[in-house]
Amino acid sequence: EEQLVESGGGLVKPGGSLRLSCAASGFTFSSFNMNWVRQAPGGGLEWVSSLSTTSTYINYADAVKGRFTISRDNAKNSLYLQMDTLRAEDTGVYYCVRGRGATPPYYMDVWGKGTTVTVSS
Amino acid sequence: QSALTQPPSVSGSPGQSVTISCSGTSSDVGSYNRVSWYQQPPGTAPKLMIYDVSNRPSGVPDRFSGSKSGNTASLTISGLQAEDEGDYYCSSYTSTTFVFGGGTKLTVL
Repeated sequence: EEQLVESGGGLVKPGGSLRLSCAASGFTFSSFNMNWVRQAPGGGLEWVSSLSTTSTYINYADAVKGRFTISRDNAKNSLYLQMDTLRAEDTGVYYCVRGRGATPPYYMDVWGKGTTVTVSS
Repeated sequence: QSALTQPPSVSGSPGQSVTISCSGTSSDVGSYNRVSWYQQPPGTAPKLMIYDVSNRPSGVPDRFSGSKSGNTASLTISGLQAEDEGDYYCSSYTSTTFVFGGGTKLTVL
């Protein structure tokens, strides 16, 4: 079964940092572009960042550009999101998502269950 | 990176058909046949329902169909069932971003 499992969420103060991880299984991780998508409490989906198979192409949403860094380790079948200078509006569930087609993706076909990030003093 | 525009809510009775619209611009929906739709039942992760405007992934019932005209895409669900309840999001690829709609809550009466 193709699976993505996020970890690393938690409570952090404004201005703080957090590193999210995503473990992939059931498919050849190194062959797929990967993404992070977030969802604020009671809100809609928001694309955060995309990363190509060999990390050559990277895209960020304007809201996180300069503060978040996406990366991957194909040997460990893992995707990461380093989040710095966190703000209250970064609060939400963060999903690790497999992309298809390009970077950013044409569409996203496998989603993790998400990890919750709360930014509050 | 403005969100695509969806109606906040739609509803229908079992067996009926409903259509959810997704309005974009000539920079996203109008320029690319890369519209996708996601279903999110309460408390769960989103699930891909339609990709590239009108294609269904394996396992998605053919009651779900997608289309596009100009800058507006649509998702139609025919033969509505109670299990179809949830939030639905459209999305579009652009060359530099990936944009979602604001979401539509589907209620099966």
